[in-house]
Amino acid sequence: NAGVMQNPRHLVRRRGQEARLRCSPMKGHSHVYWYRQLPEEGLKFMVYLQKENIIDESGMPKERFSAEFPKEGPSILRIQQVVRGDSAAYFCASSPPGQSTDTQYFGPGTRLTVL
Amino acid sequence: QKEVEQDPGPLSVPEGAIVSLNCTYSNSAFQYFMWYRQYSRKGPELLMYTYSSGNKEDGRFTAQVDKSSKYISLFIRDSQPSDSATYLCATNFGNEKLTFGTGTRLTIIP
Repeated sequence: NAGVMQNPRHLVRRRGQEARLRCSPMKGHSHVYWYRQLPEEGLKFMVYLQKENIIDESGMPKERFSAEFPKEGPSILRIQQVVRGDSAAYFCASSPPGQSTDTQYFGPGTRLTVL
Repeated sequence: QKEVEQDPGPLSVPEGAIVSLNCTYSNSAFQYFMWYRQYSRKGPELLMYTYSSGNKEDGRFTAQVDKSSKYISLFIRDSQPSDSATYLCATNFGNEKLTFGTGTRLTIIP
């Protein structure tokens, strides 16, 4: 029973390039959340999605960041024109329908480095 | 003021000691409280989840919530070197977004 899968695990981009981070939720889970963790800081919520719907994007920066969770395939967090301040660990979590208040399971994260 | 405050440590204790980790929160509307454990360069792992004030025990771990003082704690009994990790408290209103503390880095000394 695979857990939450994220890829790539490490991603290096130069300033101005695009970064695409992928997340496959646990089997049977239909809720996906993205969090960002900066060095020496806790996790910060970015966005919550269900299939084909963005439920809460209150933590997403207004520009350059977007997320989707299509009917088929993984959830994608996309960062356009990356800057050095985007360097962080990005974690995806998933939860089953109807239990999202208590059981968010996290993936191993994608560590983004912007040169 | 941060919504969830947590002493970042680092905290070092000898093997076998009882560890006490604490968080305070500012919004009395928070209803659900979790503790996650995060090993270096890994994803957070859910340890404990509580809703009401009081204690919840699971093996060597006890989570405690005091809603009147907006204080949550995690106790680890008979601490082991494998407990060395960063411990994150988290909370939410009953919607889905989690608000985390900054984490406490714990080292258990053999």
